[in-house]
Amino acid sequence: GQNIDQPTEMTATEGAIVQINCTYQTSGFNGLFWYQQHAGEAPTFLSYNVLDGLEEKGRFSSFLSRSKGYSYLLLKELQMKDSASYLCAVRDSADYKLSFGAGTTVTVRA
Amino acid sequence: DGGITQSPKYLFRKEGQNVTLSCEQNLNHDAMYWYRQDPGQGLRLIYYSQIVNDFQKGDIAEGYSVSREKKESFPLTVTSAQKNPTAFYLCASSPRQSFYGYTFGSGTRLTVV
Repeated sequence: GQNIDQPTEMTATEGAIVQINCTYQTSGFNGLFWYQQHAGEAPTFLSYNVLDGLEEKGRFSSFLSRSKGYSYLLLKELQMKDSASYLCAVRDSADYKLSFGAGTTVTVRA
Repeated sequence: DGGITQSPKYLFRKEGQNVTLSCEQNLNHDAMYWYRQDPGQGLRLIYYSQIVNDFQKGDIAEGYSVSREKKESFPLTVTSAQKNPTAFYLCASSPRQSFYGYTFGSGTRLTVV
């Protein structure tokens, strides 16, 4: 099974940087995903890490350390539209299904 | 355009009634999933299917049933045995190995009245 932890809420100012941490314990690891979810909508894919290191995509970057069971999502140059919930999800190596953390609600203030 | 469609978007049910949520995909994905999301919580897996005519229980299957008679379709029935059915239900699909994880439907918000 999977045990995934991430902070419940974070607040930051427009233009700033926010880092959302995610720790996990898993019986079989086959990749870590970050999704963005606006209220009442479906999650949308942000990033995927399967090897250690940093993946950068524009204003969003994601980091993975498999030995530490740790990932973070870095959001730079925050915009008001970045106010959303960010979900960390781990894929199981046995059956490829995703287990999700409870999500981190990020509020961007002007 | 390929995608995954959930219907209806909003659904109201009286206590004691069964209700079926529709999920259809034209992405040719093998695997399909049903998740439930409650306010302030993450997604919890109800059922999943990796191949036609086969499905497995997830973490919270009690009070729910599914079928997978066609690759494209994975309907979820919320039965009267589900004690707290009011929630946001998300259907998702994926190929066996994907760099994008899942493709999600737009969700169905079920309210018991």
